[in-house]
Amino acid sequence: QQQVKQSPQSLIVQKGGISIINCAYENTAFDYFPWYQQFPGKGPALLIAIRPDVSEKKEGRFTISFNKSAKQFSLHIMDSQPGDSATYFCAPGGGDSNYQLIWGAGTKLIIKP
Amino acid sequence: DTAVSQTPKYLVTQMGNDKSIKCEQNLGHDTMYWYKQDSKKFLKIMFSYNNKELIINETVPNRFSPKSPDKAHLNLHINSLELGDSAVYFCASSQSGNQSPQHFGDGTRLSIL
Repeated sequence: QQQVKQSPQSLIVQKGGISIINCAYENTAFDYFPWYQQFPGKGPALLIAIRPDVSEKKEGRFTISFNKSAKQFSLHIMDSQPGDSATYFCAPGGGDSNYQLIWGAGTKLIIKP
Repeated sequence: DTAVSQTPKYLVTQMGNDKSIKCEQNLGHDTMYWYKQDSKKFLKIMFSYNNKELIINETVPNRFSPKSPDKAHLNLHINSLELGDSAVYFCASSQSGNQSPQHFGDGTRLSIL
């Protein structure tokens, strides 16, 4: 019930392209769906998050799409830039998880100039 | 200005030694966490404290002991260090509530010789 599956494990995208990372979860009690971004030598930092009452949220070039029935949410990075190269984590939580986020395994994104 | 600060940033020590990592946050949060990140970037929650009370204690060896002297500090003491303890340890904090973003420190890279 707590498992989170993130895909792909790694992703290479040309500059200007669209990067898409997916996250599937099992716990239907989750009500908070964030994506975190981690640069080398730094801790993860919240990038964007969505609540289950909306199906999409956009912040600049970053968009979360949420599919409640499929228990999936995804991160789309439009016009991907070399500065977006990082490791991305989905970390759904909420409901009865006692402040705990359930972390995906991470996706290493490389944007080629 | 640093929101979540950990010391030391690097820790190199011999097997069998005892070491401590300190964490402080100035965000006024009441929940703090310790995570372990292995070489494959997988993030594993170890402990969480809310208002100095232990609320999450995942299955970690009892050689690891957290201590929270107040809401702004959460230290991690490790006894009898083993080779498998080599990893990056992250401290994080958040406000109460499952939908609050977690703020991470920059990590402590622990290397066991």
